[in-house]
Formats: sequence, structure tokens, C-alpha cells
Amino acid sequence: GENVEQHPSTLSVQEGDSAVIKCTYSDSASNYFPWYKQELGKRPQLIIDIRSNVGEKKDQRIAVTLNKTAKHFSLHITETQPEDSAVYFCAASKGGSYIPTFGRGTSLIVHP
Amino acid sequence: ETGVTQSPTHLIKTRGQQVTLRCSSQSGHNTVSWYQQALGQGPQFIFQYYREEENGRGNFPPRFSGLQFPNYSSELNVNALELDDSALYLCASSGVINEQFFGPGTRLTVL
Repeated sequence: GENVEQHPSTLSVQEGDSAVIKCTYSDSASNYFPWYKQELGKRPQLIIDIRSNVGEKKDQRIAVTLNKTAKHFSLHITETQPEDSAVYFCAASKGGSYIPTFGRGTSLIVHP
Repeated sequence: ETGVTQSPTHLIKTRGQQVTLRCSSQSGHNTVSWYQQALGQGPQFIFQYYREEENGRGNFPPRFSGLQFPNYSSELNVNALELDDSALYLCASSGVINEQFFGPGTRLTVL
């Protein structure tokens, strides 16, 4: 089955810096890659996603890139703010039935 | 449009007991997935229901079972509870576009 590796497990940055979280996947048939943000004690929330027919997608301060050949995708957050502090999960899924495999998560800490 | 809701919020059980968790899908969504999230881990897929039929299952034993109702709400049942079943149980609903939206979760503690 699919295996998703996520790095780093913890990322500490200063407010205003950029943050990059990287994920690799094993199944070349995977074609949908969402990213979730989970604040302490709250539900995971979809923040951005990308499909395999696109190489990059942006939404204000966040962007996701996908390299299908290398089977990796990354989340980029620019101009980080303290409210960006949370655990971020990447996921990969394939086919018509959306059954994603999640990474282990990255704890992002943004220091004021 | 209403979001995904789950009940109860918290639950404490003892080993060997049985538990039923409930999920109401977002309006217009016909697919519900259940996940187990242990502390410090990513969500682990348990199973998915599409139009009242099981549509996929993760690596969980048969004592984890579920069903989906005609209104697309869903239940997760766990029999013979074990200590390791203590976790946050999340349900997520999705529609045609396949984007998943999570409920707030049920925190299960097994003593």
C-alpha cells in the first residue's frame, strides 16, 4: 500500500520567516495530495491541495509543489505568523475512492 | 450548509466494553470515512462508507465495524475495547470533488 514520509517532525522559525515541509510517497498511482492543519485539540482542516496534473498551486501565503517523477510534494508558508503554529499533515490518495494515507505530521512553531 | 458533527465529544470506557460513535456528514456529502488518531500521530484510516456500503478498509481488526444510514450519517462500533484503542476518533465526509472535511472528533479513553 501507499507509504507517506513527512519531514521534519518539528520546525521552529521566527515570525516572518518561510517554512517548508516535505513529503514523499511510494505509490506512483497517487494523484491527489492534500495538506491539513491541526491546531491543538481541534480537527484537521484542509488548507490546500494539489492534483497530479498540476505542478504548483498557491493560495495567499501558502503554496504546494508536486514533483511526480521524484514522488515528492512540499508545503511552503511565507511570512509566517504565530497563528500558523500547529501540526501540519500531508496525505496522498489515488483513484476514485478518496482514501488518503497521512504522513506523521510536522509541528510548526512560529516564535514572535 | 452544515459542517461535520460527531458525538459524543468525550467518552471513558473500560477494557472489554463496547462503544458506538456517531457522525453526521456535511450537507450534500455521501461518503464518510473514519480515522483513529493516536497522540502525536497522523490519522489512520479505519474504513469508508459510500452510499451505505463499505468502500474500503484499513488495517483494523473486525471488532471495528460501522454502518452508514440513508441520510449518510454513520456509526463506528468498537467491540471488546483494549487500552490501545484510546485515541481521537475522527470522521470525515466528502462529496463529488473528494475533498474531505473532518468533524471535531470523539476522544475515547479506555481504562
